[in-house]
Amino acid sequence: DAGVTQSPTHLIKTRGQQVTLRCSPKSGHDTVSWYQQALGQGPQFIFQYYEEEERQRGNFPDRFSGHQFPNYSSELNVNALLLGDSALYLCASSLSTSPSQYFGPGTRLTVL
Amino acid sequence: GENVEQHPSTLSVQEGDSAVIKCTYSDSASNYFPWYKQELGKRPQLIIDIRSNVGEKKDQRIAVTLNKTAKHFSLHITETQPEDSAVYFCAASIRGGGNKLTFGTGTQLKVEL
Repeated sequence: DAGVTQSPTHLIKTRGQQVTLRCSPKSGHDTVSWYQQALGQGPQFIFQYYEEEERQRGNFPDRFSGHQFPNYSSELNVNALLLGDSALYLCASSLSTSPSQYFGPGTRLTVL
Repeated sequence: GENVEQHPSTLSVQEGDSAVIKCTYSDSASNYFPWYKQELGKRPQLIIDIRSNVGEKKDQRIAVTLNKTAKHFSLHITETQPEDSAVYFCAASIRGGGNKLTFGTGTQLKVEL
């Protein structure tokens, strides 16, 4: 039974560029949430996808967008990268009928 | 929106002692409270959770208590071991219409031999 997977593991971009991060949820899960974790801080909620639609969104600008595919996998896109976007991006999967969320290993994004 | 405060930020205990981490939340509508353990460079791992209709939950050496009236909840680790050393995060969410988790700022637990 595969757990939550994310790709890539690490990514280095320059200011102004765009990035796409990918997440495959745990087998049987239908909901994907994305979080940003800055160094030394707790994860901050970006948004959540269910049934291919954004169901809930945190306090992040429109530069952050996402998508969920019919197989429940998800992408996080960030446009016009800023230095402050450097962080660990975590994907969490869950069942729509349960509040328990399980995290993937994350993608470490560095913006230079 | 929901705000979760967590104390202490660092905690050092001797192996075999107990450790207690406390969190308070602001939104009385919150009804789900998970705890995550994050080792250096690893993903947050769900270790225990509690729902608002339960006052206490235990799983081997770890337990969580919830006081809805005071809006606080705590993680208790007994008989600590070196492998318990990690950062622990509490979180809160409102079940229904999405499960946005609002996290505390984390507690660095160090278990010394």
